[in-house]
Amino acid sequence: EAQVTQNPRYLITVTGKKLTVTCSQNMNHEYMSWYRQDPGLGLRQIYYSMNVEVTDKGDVPEGYKVSRKEKRNFPLILESPSPNQTSLYFCASSFRDISEQYFGPGTRLTVT
Amino acid sequence: AQSVTQLDSQVPVFEEAPVELRCNYSSSVSVYLFWYVQYPNQGLQLLLKYLSGSTLVKGINGFEAEFNKSQTSFHLRKPSVHISDTAEYFCAVTPGDNTDKLIFGTGTRLQVFP
Repeated sequence: EAQVTQNPRYLITVTGKKLTVTCSQNMNHEYMSWYRQDPGLGLRQIYYSMNVEVTDKGDVPEGYKVSRKEKRNFPLILESPSPNQTSLYFCASSFRDISEQYFGPGTRLTVT
Repeated sequence: AQSVTQLDSQVPVFEEAPVELRCNYSSSVSVYLFWYVQYPNQGLQLLLKYLSGSTLVKGINGFEAEFNKSQTSFHLRKPSVHISDTAEYFCAVTPGDNTDKLIFGTGTRLQVFP
């Protein structure tokens, strides 16, 4: 089944403790992206990647890192999480560009 | 800066009634436009997209949208809604100078009542 998977789905952590949210797709997509969803703000793009080893900042990249060493994986790294990063995070992928993205199920992160 | 405005945060409607969800964007150059739907506790799903060509775009589940360049709008419509259409709907646009980025509106919650 074609899908985008994220792990973990739920995570509660403390300020400053490094964490990684994994994202994997099995559709051989070149384009991958991370978003955060906050009430009243909609979705905001954090980082995106056009292909392996090619990444760029979205609108809200501060406090986040990404890497794209393999085509199928695009992990989101929070080196020192803070409470303002409490949010619902979505990973998405598409074949070549942004024209038709497939979204993962989301990761709900709480930073205390 | 590029922006997307969804004026209605909530739209209540009775089953089988028509509905229009409004979306306006700011851009002076060509853009790509999208509508995504998010059902409760799920990720987003593409409803329809406008890249070029015909300004009337048909999507899944009976939805359609019309691109109006002069009014910088991309309103979503459905002639007769079902209970199952209850969800949050997001309009999104690529910035004119970068079609690898996507900017979302704040969303419109469509609530369909029996």
